[in-house]
This record gives sequence, structure tokens and C-alpha cells, in this order.
Amino acid sequence: DVKVTQSSRYLVKRTGEKVFLECVQDMDHENMFWYRQDPGLGLRLIYFSYDVKMKEKGDIPEGYSVSREKKERFSLILESASTNQTSMYLCASSPPRGAQNTEAFFGQGTRLTVV
Amino acid sequence: QQQVKQSPQSLIVQKGGIPIINCAYENTAFDYFPWYQQFPGKGPALLIAIRPDVSEKKEGRFTISFNKSAKQFSLHIMDSQPGDSATYFCAASKRRGSTLGRLYFGRGTQLTVWP
Repeated sequence: DVKVTQSSRYLVKRTGEKVFLECVQDMDHENMFWYRQDPGLGLRLIYFSYDVKMKEKGDIPEGYSVSREKKERFSLILESASTNQTSMYLCASSPPRGAQNTEAFFGQGTRLTVV
Repeated sequence: QQQVKQSPQSLIVQKGGIPIINCAYENTAFDYFPWYQQFPGKGPALLIAIRPDVSEKKEGRFTISFNKSAKQFSLHIMDSQPGDSATYFCAASKRRGSTLGRLYFGRGTQLTVWP
């Protein structure tokens, strides 16, 4: 059974803290993604990576950075957390270009509250 | 700019009804159109997907209708059940010729099916 695991279901952090959200997949997928989900705004792409040590900005990268040192692990970093980064964060992985389909497998999400 | 526009934002139907969710896109390079289903507390999961070379695809009670000339596609749920109550996201991607095949998501439709 395929699995994308996010390290925390719930997090509460203070404004200005550096926050790390971790994601691990066991499907040997090349592509990994970080989204944030807010009511009425759907899923917005923050960053994605198509290979180890590679990263690309998504649609809303401001205030975030990422790290991908190993194929199975993709970390999202909030350098200095702010209240407007309170959200649900979803990690996903998918097969590479040329695969039969590009189905994305999602983790269960991390609900981050910044106070 | 929203690459995929989804409507309605919310939908309430009686058990046995046929909810219809609509999506529209502009980029003619898109060639893969999935629908994701998300239950509370869970990450989205692939429900059904279609490619633009067919006009309809059925999987059980779920049907995608695709209109290439109008650049629209829709999800129909036949004989809807309370267990179908969830948030539904349409998406689109460019599978061929892109560096990644990232998904562009609609903003989601919250479906409630009353017993």
C-alpha cells in the first residue's frame, strides 16, 4: 500500500519561529510537492521537486523554503512563521514525466497554527 | 491566475440525486484531467481521471464528461449516497512535453448528501 507520511498532524508555533514540516514517501517517486489548503482557495502549490536536491517554486513560495536531500524525503521550512501561514499543509508525491499517469498521492496533512 | 475554475463552491443534494460539478480550463496544452475526493481529516485521493481523446468515462457511480471544444469537464455522481459527502477537486496537467506534469487544482466543491 502506497504511503505518504507527514511527521505531524497538528502543530502550534509562535510568530517568528522557524518551522520544519517533514514528509516521507515510500513509493520511490521522483516528484514531490507541498501544498497549502485554505477554505475557499483550494490547494495552492508552494514548492515542488522533481529530483534530489532539485526544487522549483510553485504559485505561492513567499515565506517558505524546501529541502530535498534524499529521494524519499521533502521538507518544507517556514523561516519565520507568521499568523498568515496558519493553514493545512499537504505533501504529495507522483511518478515522473512519461509515467502512465501522474496520479498524486497525498499525505494526511499537517494543520499548523501560528500564534 | 486560476488555471482551472470550478463550480459550485458547495452543493447539497438528497440521497439518490445526481450532483454535478463543473470545471473549465484555458490552457489547451492540458492533457490529463483527474478528480480528487477528500474526506474530513484526510488528504485528497484520486477518484477518476480522463484524457481528452474521450468524451466520457465511467467508474461505478462516477462519470466524467469532457467537452474539448468548450474546454470544460464535469463530474456526475449517480445515485448519490451520504457516504459521498466530501470535498471534490478537479485538476489538470500537461503530461507530455512538460518538465514535471504538475497538477493545477480547482478551488473545490463541498458536497453534502442528505439521507
